[in-house]
Amino acid sequence: DAKTTQPNSMESNEEEPVHLPCNHSTISGTDYIHWYRQLPSQGPEYVIHGLTSNVNNRMASLAIAEDRKSSTLILHRATLRDAAVYYCITYGNNRLAFGKGNQVVVIP
Amino acid sequence: KAGVTQTPRYLIKTRGQQVTLSCSPISGHRSVSWYQQTPGQGLQFLFEYFSETQRNKGNFPGRFSGRQFSNSRSEMNVSTLELGDSALYLCASRASGTYNEQFFGPGTRLTVL
Repeated sequence: DAKTTQPNSMESNEEEPVHLPCNHSTISGTDYIHWYRQLPSQGPEYVIHGLTSNVNNRMASLAIAEDRKSSTLILHRATLRDAAVYYCITYGNNRLAFGKGNQVVVIP
Repeated sequence: KAGVTQTPRYLIKTRGQQVTLSCSPISGHRSVSWYQQTPGQGLQFLFEYFSETQRNKGNFPGRFSGRQFSNSRSEMNVSTLELGDSALYLCASRASGTYNEQFFGPGTRLTVL
């Protein structure tokens, strides 16, 4: 399982965009990049995933570097409900290998 | 469509006992994975079942086992409980297809005394 590196924590102001970086320099060519988030007292929740191209959905956007060694999750307008631990994961061998995650704090 | 359900939600056991946790996946999902979450180790993959067969296994001792039934419901068993087994046990299901998103249940909080 490729290792991912994320900041331990980040702060963001409410209603402003949030850019969450992730390094995955050992990712294999067939591994997808998945993002999940975990709100307090809940199980993880899928956010978005991609392979090579940038991806958008109703929750967020995922920007993947051309060499695939890094990616950035973008929350376009942070709300208080977005306060959570965000996990960047490389998905291979039918398993999600979670790291420590990035604790995002949203300031009103 | 109902989400992933796990029972029980909370459990207290003593060292040396065994425990069985249950997971009901989303209807139509044939893959069920189990994860252990602790403050020190974070979220760790235990195993995955697909169509009643264990397809993948994480680095846990043989005391941790699981099975899946023909209706895709899955159980996880931990024998000879140790204090370090206290954790949140999460189950996730997904539709067929290698890279589909996983849907997590709320977890079972196991406390070993």
